[in-house]
Amino acid sequence: DAKTTQPNSMESNEEEPVHLPCNHSTISGTDYIHWYRQLPSQGPEYVIHGLTSNVNNRMASLAIAEDRKSSTLILHRATLRDAAVYYCILRDVGGSQGNLIFGKGTKLSVKP
Amino acid sequence: ETGVTQSPTHLIKTRGQQVTLRCSSQSGHNTVSWYQQALGQGPQFIFQYYREEENGRGNFPPRFSGLQFPNYSSELNVNALELDDSALYLCASSQGVASGELFFGEGSRLTVL
Repeated sequence: DAKTTQPNSMESNEEEPVHLPCNHSTISGTDYIHWYRQLPSQGPEYVIHGLTSNVNNRMASLAIAEDRKSSTLILHRATLRDAAVYYCILRDVGGSQGNLIFGKGTKLSVKP
Repeated sequence: ETGVTQSPTHLIKTRGQQVTLRCSSQSGHNTVSWYQQALGQGPQFIFQYYREEENGRGNFPPRFSGLQFPNYSSELNVNALELDDSALYLCASSQGVASGELFFGEGSRLTVL
């Protein structure tokens, strides 16, 4: 699986939008982009995933660059509960879902 | 619908001992994956079970083994424990091996003294 690069940490203010970047310059045409987050003392939680088009769900939006070499997870209004480590992961569409390669992620802090 | 549950939540073992960790998958899920998460690191894939058979393995030695039962629950066994095995062990379930979303439990925190 291709590698991803994320900032180690980011800060946000409560109720403001947050844009979490991820670079994946070696992405292949069959790699999905997945985002998970891990709140303190909990297991990771699925956030969103996409292949080529931007995606929206109740938790977040995923904006994928046209060349697919980068993507951005967007939290529209950060809450204190969004403070977590966010992981950007690539998974080959033909690969096993269970085998996700996690990096160190971005630790998001949300200030009241 | 119950989520992924793991037991025990915490345990302490000594070097050389053996440990068994248990996982009940989310209702309707037939695939279970296990991950090891050291402090300050992201989770690392150990192996995956699909319909009671190992279906993929990460870079872990054979002393890490597993089972999946007909009800899709699973066990992770670690023999000859080493100090570096101290970690949070996470179980995740999904419907099928290529589904888009893994559901994780809260983990079992193992300390090896």
